[in-house]
Amino acid sequence: DAGITQSPRHKVTETGTPVTLRCHQTENHRYMYWYRQDPGHGLRLIHYSYGVKDTDKGEVSDGYSVSRSKTEDFLLTLESATSSQTSVYFCAISEPVPGLVYEQYFGPGTRLTVT
Amino acid sequence: GQQLNQSPQSMFIQEGEDVSMNCTSSSIFNTWLWYKQDPGEGPVLLIALYKAGELTSNGRLTAQFGITRKDSFLNISASIPSDVGIYFCAGPPNFGNEKLTFGTGTRLTIIP
Repeated sequence: DAGITQSPRHKVTETGTPVTLRCHQTENHRYMYWYRQDPGHGLRLIHYSYGVKDTDKGEVSDGYSVSRSKTEDFLLTLESATSSQTSVYFCAISEPVPGLVYEQYFGPGTRLTVT
Repeated sequence: GQQLNQSPQSMFIQEGEDVSMNCTSSSIFNTWLWYKQDPGEGPVLLIALYKAGELTSNGRLTAQFGITRKDSFLNISASIPSDVGIYFCAGPPNFGNEKLTFGTGTRLTIIP
């Protein structure tokens, strides 16, 4: 198994509160990703990082911010949580191989409920 | 953005049966990845396909990269209870390789 951990694994929070999810890897992979998974939508990319302090938006980035100050950690922050952000959040990592698609490896997920 | 359509959305089979599912796109993909997700866990990469027409096996699983480059197929032979889960296809949405688009998944259930 890829060395990816996510914390917390479960969280219940109230609307309007800030929330930070953490992804930690021990593989020294360059790329890290945050996805959300909702019924009927599959996995949708929120933000990703291609190096320390280098990040970019995905298809559903509104309401989310990220930071990566170390290779091994990628943080996802909901500045003011809303009920529409209730979801399961997955972190993924990948290491570029020239000429190939960057195969991604996933963490165990964080189930977030916003009440 | 590009979408990947998976069919069927769900399957109910008996143990020992073979399974076939597919993934289609409206545009050409240069890579297809197949993932499996067990309940309560993250997706796990099963098979990666990099050439049109390529056929790759991983145990009882066989995946094919369609000749048109707009589809891919996954077959599971002689299904067993641990095959239960959701199967996702994925591929790069453009010629950059760092991001993936995922299909909505095929849920496989084995009837006792």
